[in-house]
Amino acid sequence: SAVISQKPSRDICQRGTSLTIQCQVDSQVTMMFWYRQQPGQSLTLIATANQGSEATYESGFVIDKFPISRPNLTFSTLTVSNMSPEDSSIYLCSAVLASSYEQYFGPGTRLTVT
Amino acid sequence: KNEVEQSPQNLTAQEGEFITINCSYSVGISALHWLQQHPGGGIVSLFMLSSGKKKHGRLIATINIQEKHSSLHITASHPRDSAVYICAVKDSGGSNYKLTFGKGTLLTVNP
Repeated sequence: SAVISQKPSRDICQRGTSLTIQCQVDSQVTMMFWYRQQPGQSLTLIATANQGSEATYESGFVIDKFPISRPNLTFSTLTVSNMSPEDSSIYLCSAVLASSYEQYFGPGTRLTVT
Repeated sequence: KNEVEQSPQNLTAQEGEFITINCSYSVGISALHWLQQHPGGGIVSLFMLSSGKKKHGRLIATINIQEKHSSLHITASHPRDSAVYICAVKDSGGSNYKLTFGKGTLLTVNP
């Protein structure tokens, strides 16, 4: 199994600022993902975080708005840039274990933009 | 693109009742996840299924690949089971680990 931690767990931010969310996994993983869950909506994949290279973004998400880093196999960050109230969501990190290919989820970061 | 439908959207039960949540999908899959999301937002993976049935404590998950349908059952429900239950599927083929999520079922268990 794996334990995924995220920081911060929640934050309230001002419009126009940026927030970086960290994701740490306690096991070797093959793939890491970032999801967004807007209020009342299902989870949507933002991007796949690739180790040592640029993330792969889904349609509707761009690097300038959601820059992602993955400097090693077990750590990734997601930045929400130039925030607006529409960015108020839960942001979730997920990872696929190298040993079993099972997918695990982090506890989420609840972001409120005022 | 897979379409994932869950039913019911909302479910209220009395403590001790047997609960069933359903999930159907439109395209063949290689795996189906059942997830639990508590009010704080964090998600816990309950089951990952590719066939048959799995049981963990009071939770049972079944999948029928031919009918493209899965069910999550909770026996002897308890107020602490109150949460949103989410079905997610991984499309078959390749090494794509992207998941398609249902909108979730909000379960409230009253004492």
